[in-house]
Amino acid sequence: KNQVEQSPQSLIILEGKNCTLQCNYTVSPFSNLRWYKQDTGRGPVSLTIMTFSENTKSNGRYTATLDADTKQSSLHITASQLSDSASYICVVSAGGGNKLTFGTGTQLKVEL
Amino acid sequence: EAQVTQNPRYLITVTGKKLTVTCSQNMNHEYMSWYRQDPGLGLRQIYYSMNVEVTDKGDVPEGYKVSRKEKRNFPLILESPSPNQTSLYFCASSLGRGTDSYEQYFGPGTRLTVT
Repeated sequence: KNQVEQSPQSLIILEGKNCTLQCNYTVSPFSNLRWYKQDTGRGPVSLTIMTFSENTKSNGRYTATLDADTKQSSLHITASQLSDSASYICVVSAGGGNKLTFGTGTQLKVEL
Repeated sequence: EAQVTQNPRYLITVTGKKLTVTCSQNMNHEYMSWYRQDPGLGLRQIYYSMNVEVTDKGDVPEGYKVSRKEKRNFPLILESPSPNQTSLYFCASSLGRGTDSYEQYFGPGTRLTVT
């Protein structure tokens, strides 16, 4: 069964600090991995999309890494801001179809 | 402005009363899908559509219907809503399939409560 697990479930950090969110998956065959940011009460917004051949991708202060061998990904947020407070969702796509498997997200809170 | 719109944004209804949630996109996307989001479960796909008149079941299709008569619209129909369909619903669209690495755009969500 395809699964995506994220850790930690929740995280509180001080403004200006860095943090790293983790995503482990068992989706096969792997097609691509996405990170989304979801503000409370709003739809998810895409941060990065990585295919098998990409092992890092950046979008401003967000940097995603992918290790397809160990089936792990991480999202690193640099110099956090209050506006980074949101849920971060890891999504993995399996090849050969339209299947997207969603993680349950990491709830990040950035405090002063 | 490129966007996915959903209506209504909030809806409270009673068990058994048919309802439709509309979804429209202005990006000429072929692929559209519906998700529900419940606490602790993440987003789960209900139905998706590859193009006009082409729809297929996702992970949790029971109790839902969809249609795709026009490229821009993809309504979600609950013929006889039940309390276990109380959830936050999202419509999404993209140029192609999820496996093709196209960016997927989500609507603002519809919070449905069935009493």
